[in-house]
Amino acid sequence: DAKTTQPPSMDCAEGRAANLPCNHSTISGNEYVYWYRQIHSQGPQYIIHGLKNNETNEMASLIITEDRKSSTLILPHATLRDTAVYYCIVRVIRGSQGNLIFGKGTKLSVKP
Amino acid sequence: DSGVTQTPKHLITATGQRVTLRCSPRSGDLSVYWYQQSLDQGLQFLIQYYNGEERAKGNILERFSAQQFPDLHSELNLSSLELGDSALYFCASSGQGNFYGYTFGSGTRLTVV
Repeated sequence: DAKTTQPPSMDCAEGRAANLPCNHSTISGNEYVYWYRQIHSQGPQYIIHGLKNNETNEMASLIITEDRKSSTLILPHATLRDTAVYYCIVRVIRGSQGNLIFGKGTKLSVKP
Repeated sequence: DSGVTQTPKHLITATGQRVTLRCSPRSGDLSVYWYQQSLDQGLQFLIQYYNGEERAKGNILERFSAQQFPDLHSELNLSSLELGDSALYFCASSGQGNFYGYTFGSGTRLTVV
C-alpha cells in the first residue's frame, strides 16, 4: 500500500476548524484514503474515508485533491476532546484481505 | 463500547513467561486483526485471521502466535516474554469487504517485569 506523509504535530484553538493535511503522492487508482484517530492509548477510531470525491459525516469532512495526491481532514469546530493522534492511511479494499498500516500520524492539540 | 472486547485489560508478568490475550470481535465480523503499540514503535500490524484462517502476517515475532476459533474469537499467545514486549496490544475486527475499516477494542496493556 502507498505511504503517507503527515506533519508530526499541530495546534488548534477550541471552536475553530482543524485542518489536518496528508500527502499520498504515490496513491494508486484503487486505493482509498482513510482517517483514524487515537485518543490517548485508547483503540484507534474510524473517522472517515473516501476515494476521490469529498466526503462528510457527523465527525468530519474529507477533501481530496483532484489529482488525489493529497487530502485534508477537517474538524469543523474542534473541541478539547478532539485532542488525539490522527492517522491518514491509504489502502486497497480487497474483500476479506488487506490490513491497515499506520504511520506516525499527526498529534493534534486543541487548546482552550 | 466499540463491540470488540479484549481481555484482560491489564497484565503484569515476568520475563520468560507465557501469556494469552483474548479478543471477541464485533457481532458478524469475520476478520480479526492484532496490533502491537509500544512507546517507540507506534502501531504495528501483527497478524490477521479471517473466519478461522490466517490471511496476512505483519511484524509478528516467532515467539508470538495467534488463532481464531470457530466462534470467531481470537487469542494471541506471547511466549518467552522479554522486557521489550511490554506494550499495548489491540485487536480489531471488520466485516465482509471491510469497506468501513476496522473497529478496534480498548486494548490489553502488557507489562513485562
